[in-house]
Amino acid sequence: GENVEQHPSTLSVQEGDSAVIKCTYSDSASNYFPWYKQELGKRPQLIIDIRSNVGEKKDQRIAVTLNKTAKHFSLHITETQPEDSAVYFCAPRDTGRRALTFGSGTRLQVQP
Amino acid sequence: GAVVSQHPSRVICKSGTSVKIECRSLDFQATTMFWYRQFPKQSLMLMATSNEGSKATYEQGVEKDKFLINHASLTLSTLTVTSAHPEDSSFYICSARASGGGYGYTFGSGTRLTVV
Repeated sequence: GENVEQHPSTLSVQEGDSAVIKCTYSDSASNYFPWYKQELGKRPQLIIDIRSNVGEKKDQRIAVTLNKTAKHFSLHITETQPEDSAVYFCAPRDTGRRALTFGSGTRLQVQP
Repeated sequence: GAVVSQHPSRVICKSGTSVKIECRSLDFQATTMFWYRQFPKQSLMLMATSNEGSKATYEQGVEKDKFLINHASLTLSTLTVTSAHPEDSSFYICSARASGGGYGYTFGSGTRLTVV
């Protein structure tokens, strides 16, 4: 199965700063790489995803970069705002199980 | 967009009783649904993959006789926690993919189970 590592586990930034979270995975056949935001007691919300034939994708303040050779992908949030405070999970798709395998999560705190 | 409805959102049950959680795809057909469990301040861990018309596939360490999964139609999967114990208290959440594949995974709103 897919082994996923996510770093850092916690991240505190000042409002307006950038935040970067990194995820490494083991399944070289993985072809789908999403990032989710989860608020307390709620379902995970997809914030951005990337497929294996693309190296970078951007959506306003959020971007994801993928390095398939090194088997890692990163979430970049620019101009952070207090409402960005939440737990973020990477969840690369395990091609064997066809399921998403979630990383351990990163608690992002944006200080006003 | 694709919507998955999950019920109940919260349930409190006594030790030894059983609880059924329903996950329904409202506007698409899902041949495959996934059941996750999330303990406080932890990640989502895949428990099992539910396949319409066939047996579920359970992850290592998940007791199939304790967590009964039924996927009788293309729009409904159920998870029954049998003989619940306090250590089963957790957030259970389902996810579905539309038939035909693609990359979209839709999540239910989750069920907070508390066993007392």
